[in-house]
Parts: sequence; C-alpha cells; structure tokens
Amino acid sequence: RKEVEQDPGPFNVPEGATVAFNCTYSNSASQSFFWYRQDCRKEPKLLMSVYSSGNEDGRFTAQLNRASQYISLLIRDSKLSDSATYLCVVNSWRGGWGKLQFGAGTQVVVTP
Amino acid sequence: GAGVSQSPSNKVTEKGKDVELRCDPISGHTALYWYRQSLGQGLEFLIYFQGNSAPDKSGLPSDRFSAERTGESVSTLTIQRTQQEDSAVYLCASSSGRVNQPQHFGDGTRLSIL
Repeated sequence: RKEVEQDPGPFNVPEGATVAFNCTYSNSASQSFFWYRQDCRKEPKLLMSVYSSGNEDGRFTAQLNRASQYISLLIRDSKLSDSATYLCVVNSWRGGWGKLQFGAGTQVVVTP
Repeated sequence: GAGVSQSPSNKVTEKGKDVELRCDPISGHTALYWYRQSLGQGLEFLIYFQGNSAPDKSGLPSDRFSAERTGESVSTLTIQRTQQEDSAVYLCASSSGRVNQPQHFGDGTRLSIL
C-alpha cells in the first residue's frame, strides 16, 4: 500500500462550482500535511498547509481527519485558473526529522 | 537568490554519456530531496539528505544513479551511462526539515537522452 494515496481524477468542474477531493495516508504518526499545486510542465508549488482544526485560504479550504487518516481540499467558486494537478504531501518522521512524501496527484479541470 | 536553484535548465545528451545535475538549496535548509517526473506522471522520489545523517537512497532506480551533498549546501545528482528511459524532469526541493515546514522546489532540469 502506498503511504499517500489520491484519486487521480480528472475532476471536471464547471466554472463557479465547488469541487472537493481527499487524500489518505497510512502513517498514523504523521504530523505535517500540505497541499501543493502543479501546473503542466511546471514545478510543484505550495498551495497551503493543513492544520488540525482545518483552515481556509480564500476559496480553498483544507481539512484533516486524523481518525480516518485523510486530508481534504475544497475549492469554492472554481476559476479556469484552478485547473491543475493537486498534490497531497504528508510527513513521516525519522529521529525527529521529517521526510515529506507526495501523493501522485488529483487532476482538476475547470471548464467554461 | 532566495529560492532553490537548479542547473542546467535543460540538458540534451547522447545515450551512454554521463550527466551531472546541480541543486543549490535555500540557505539554512537542512533537508534536500531529489525527484524525477516523466511526462504526465507523478513525482518519483529518488533520494533525501537530512543534515549530516546518512542519506535515504531508497528511491534511486539503479546503481547508475548517485547523489552527493556536502554538508548543508549544494547537491549533485549524477547519472552514468544514460539510457533513453532516464529522460525526465529532475526536480530538487529543500526544506528546513522541521515540523510543519514545507518543501520548496527548484524549476527543475529537463533531461533528454537521444
């Protein structure tokens, strides 16, 4: 089983709609979680960290469910520019230092 | 500069040649990662350096691949006797390695093996 798993999609979303997707992780000791965005032929860029109580950044909301070991990302009022692959990142700890592990990504396509 | 710097941006070479890719992490970042990404695929973890600890080489696909890092500075990824399947974008990322600190990526090196 992969340590971090995502639905590859694509999620086809009409402009203005809401889309949400999850990422599951296997290491119950994981403590740090992030969402990255990657555009075609570009490097991944940090979208937002995910905090225990959940957090928002504009139209983006991230949630953490420790009991079920998943994080989620919700995008409201989708824009064409939100089309990208969204990567889930989870840490795993070794001797007090974190090794961050990436999921394979969820593709989102926002259509006019 | 303030970000992760990789060089060269693009590299085209003939099959069988050796190549060396360079990554200059953000100053003060103790953790450094190498990934590769083939077209339309996800990130493939290659190797992880954390301070002076022994590197995690579990992702290196073969013994033709090796990487070095001097202290907490520049890292080089070397591919010997390149094969066409080595063609990919090679991405480097660094982080402070501490709790809740994310990785920051360089622009990558696009490697093409003819």
